Amino acid sequence: GENVEQHPSTLSVQEGDSAVIKCTYSDSASNYFPWYKQELGKRPQLIIDIRSNVGEKKDQRIAVTLNKTAKHFSLHITETQPEDSAVYFCAATPGTYKYIFGTGTRLKVLA
Amino acid sequence: GAVVSQHPSWVICKSGTSVKIECRSLDFQATTMFWYRQFPKQSLMLMATSNEGSKATYEQGVEKDKFLINHASLTLSTLTVTSAHPEDSSFYICSARPLTGTATDTQYFGPGTRLTVL
Repeated sequence: GENVEQHPSTLSVQEGDSAVIKCTYSDSASNYFPWYKQELGKRPQLIIDIRSNVGEKKDQRIAVTLNKTAKHFSLHITETQPEDSAVYFCAATPGTYKYIFGTGTRLKVLA
Repeated sequence: GAVVSQHPSWVICKSGTSVKIECRSLDFQATTMFWYRQFPKQSLMLMATSNEGSKATYEQGVEKDKFLINHASLTLSTLTVTSAHPEDSSFYICSARPLTGTATDTQYFGPGTRLTVL
């Protein structure tokens, strides 16, 4: 079945620096890759997504890149702010609309 | 738009009792709803996929007789934890996938239900 690896598990950056989180998936049939942000005790919120026919997508300070050949995709956050601190999850979709989530990255932005 | 609610937000019950959790899509129709379980500081683990009017599809290792799922309409799915035990204590989150529109791949999540079994 589909497996999604996510690294790093924790990431601390200084405010204003960039943060990069990487995910690798196993099922080449996956064609949709969302990223969610989850604050403590709250629901996951979609922050950006990318489909397999696109290599890169950007939304203000957030961008996602996809390398289908290597089966990995990355989340890039620039000019980080304290409110970016949260747990971030990537997911892959092995063809049946269900998500297989990565293990999560706890991001801390230090003021 | 794309709001999903869950009720209750938290519940405490005695061992051996059953607990029902509701998941509603408030402003859209959901062809599919999903139920996840999340342990502290861990990822979301998919338990089952539910489609309106049909039986849920359970992930490997999830007991279908313990976690009963009913998807009665395009806006409501329920998860019943039967004969709950302390090891069932967890954060249960549902999500819904829109029936129409450009975001039918996207899942919108409910706020979660924290279940504590004494």
